[in-house]
Amino acid sequence: AQTVTQSQPEMSVQEAETVTLSCTYDTSENNYYLFWYKQPPSRQMILVIRQEAYKQQNATENRFSVNFQKAAKSFSLKISDSQLGDTAMYFCASYSNYQLIWGAGTKLIIKP
Amino acid sequence: GAVVSQHPSRVICKSGTSVKIECRSLDFQATTMFWYRQFPKKSLMLMATSNEGSKATYEQGVEKDKFLINHASLTLSTLTVTSAHPEDSSFYICSARVGGIGEQFFGPGTRLTVL
Repeated sequence: AQTVTQSQPEMSVQEAETVTLSCTYDTSENNYYLFWYKQPPSRQMILVIRQEAYKQQNATENRFSVNFQKAAKSFSLKISDSQLGDTAMYFCASYSNYQLIWGAGTKLIIKP
Repeated sequence: GAVVSQHPSRVICKSGTSVKIECRSLDFQATTMFWYRQFPKKSLMLMATSNEGSKATYEQGVEKDKFLINHASLTLSTLTVTSAHPEDSSFYICSARVGGIGEQFFGPGTRLTVL
């Protein structure tokens, strides 16, 4: 079975610091997609960033970037210059068999 | 960006009654819609996948006769919780996708409380 593992249940950092959330996955497919979603207290799921496995270049989206290590099946999310509004649950997900496979989530708290 | 709406956002009902939740893609046509259930402080649990005009595919352990899903058009899917019980109380989220591969766009969720 495809799996996604997030080993950090909760993290907290000071505002303006950089934080990295880890994610590992297991898939037997050659071409796949990886995602990071954010779920703030409003509980609206928001796409943060996506990565196509065939692309070697790490995806970036403003303050958000990923470190995609295909051989190690690792897909970490780096948030630079963290802001109070980044406080949320962060879910890593892989796209497999026409559906998203979700990690357990990491609760990120940005402290003022 | 693509917008998915859900209605109602909150619903409280008595045990034994049925509740319908609507999910609409507002500015795009969704070939596939998904229904998730989320327990407090947990990840999303996929309940079923529905394609327009065909029967939904339910995940193992999800009662199809209890959670009725209808995907009548490319912009509307409904989830009906029949004969609701307190253990059905949860946060239900729908999402919609265009095409076979791609990101999913999520609705804001529905908080169901069964008394």
